[in-house]
Amino acid sequence: DAKTTQPNSMESNEEEPVHLPCNHSTISGTDYIHWYRQLPSQGPEYVIHGLTSNVNNRMASLAIAEDRKSSTLILHRATLRDAAVYYCILRDGGSQGNLIFGKGTKLSVKP
Amino acid sequence: SQTIHQWPATLVQPVGSPLSLECTVEGTSNPNLYWYRQAAGRGLQLLFYSVGIGQISSEVPQNLSASRPQDRQFILSSKKLLLSDSGFYLCAWSAGTVSSYEQYFGPGTRLTVT
Repeated sequence: DAKTTQPNSMESNEEEPVHLPCNHSTISGTDYIHWYRQLPSQGPEYVIHGLTSNVNNRMASLAIAEDRKSSTLILHRATLRDAAVYYCILRDGGSQGNLIFGKGTKLSVKP
Repeated sequence: SQTIHQWPATLVQPVGSPLSLECTVEGTSNPNLYWYRQAAGRGLQLLFYSVGIGQISSEVPQNLSASRPQDRQFILSSKKLLLSDSGFYLCAWSAGTVSSYEQYFGPGTRLTVT
């Protein structure tokens, strides 16, 4: 799986939007972009994924650059419950689909 | 809806003792199953995955083994635990191997080897 680069940490204020960036300059045409988050002492939780087009779901939005070398996870209104480590992961369409977790971005939300 | 169970939630075991962690999935059939480990302060590491009964693939050679005796049951075992086996063990499932499928994780087992 291709490598991703994320900031180690970010801070946000409650009820404000949060934009979590991810760089993946070596992405291949068959790589899906997945986002997971992990709250303290819990297992990771699926957030969203996409291939080329921007995606929206009840949790977040995923904005994918036109060249696919970067993407941004958007939390529209951060809450205290959104404080977690967010992982951006590329999954090769030709592989077994195993997730390879990096260090992620630790998001802190201030009230 | 689908649910994934893991037990026990926490476990403290002495070095050299055996280990058995169980994971079961409800509400789906023929899931792909995964075991991950997260050591303290580190990222998740894939240990084993299974695409069907009796089919186990190991990602990292180590002191652990996995088995899948039933379609929705995945077991992680060790004959003799090492201190380095301590960590947070997570089971996950997905509907298929195609990378568009998301994985769903269980609540985890926190293992401390003393």
